[in-house]
Amino acid sequence: NAGVTQTPKFRVLKTGQSMTLLCAQDMNHEYMYWYRQDPGMGLRLIHYSVGEGTTAKGEVPDGYNVSRLKKQNFLLGLESAAPSQTSVYFCASSGTSGVLYPETQYFGPGTRLLVL
Amino acid sequence: GQQVMQIPQYQHVQEGEDFTTYCNSSTTLSNIQWYKQRPGGHPVFLIQLVKSGEVKKQKRLTFQFGEAKKNSSLHITATQTTDVGTYFCAVPTDSWGKLQFGAGTQVVVTP
Repeated sequence: NAGVTQTPKFRVLKTGQSMTLLCAQDMNHEYMYWYRQDPGMGLRLIHYSVGEGTTAKGEVPDGYNVSRLKKQNFLLGLESAAPSQTSVYFCASSGTSGVLYPETQYFGPGTRLLVL
Repeated sequence: GQQVMQIPQYQHVQEGEDFTTYCNSSTTLSNIQWYKQRPGGHPVFLIQLVKSGEVKKQKRLTFQFGEAKKNSSLHITATQTTDVGTYFCAVPTDSWGKLQFGAGTQVVVTP
């Protein structure tokens, strides 16, 4: 039982390049999330998904796209990377819950992205 | 919109000392979660508080939910080097499953 895994662990991109970050979970969770973490900013939600085939925008979605073709996978894409997207990216998943009492979120180990 | 503030942003503690970090919300909360992130690691769930005035303990960590359910605190007794990391509070938003995280309190422990 690996929990939440992310690939790659680290990546360097040049401005304008594209890439896809992969998140996989083996806990049969319905909900999945992508966050970015910058110093002093905490965790900011980029996009999330409440089930296979569904995605929605979070707090900072601009410059990113996502897809959830399979329940266990959640992909984050950067079509044209910018230096402002240098950050640590975390994927998380959680079970189904109501609005008032969200389930615990389980995080992956993170992807460190540097855009030059 | 809802605002979540954590105080202090940074805490430097001598090993063996106690300290408290706070999480304040602009709105009344149904519950609050706390997470810990070790340096270079990922956030890990610690606890969830649901009831007004609720107090929960995990060894040397004591979590409290305010009576008005608008704030919470984490108190660490006899700090150890293993307590190093950033502690985040997280609160529900108006959408299913989503959490809003505070900016965190970064804790540094001096031996």
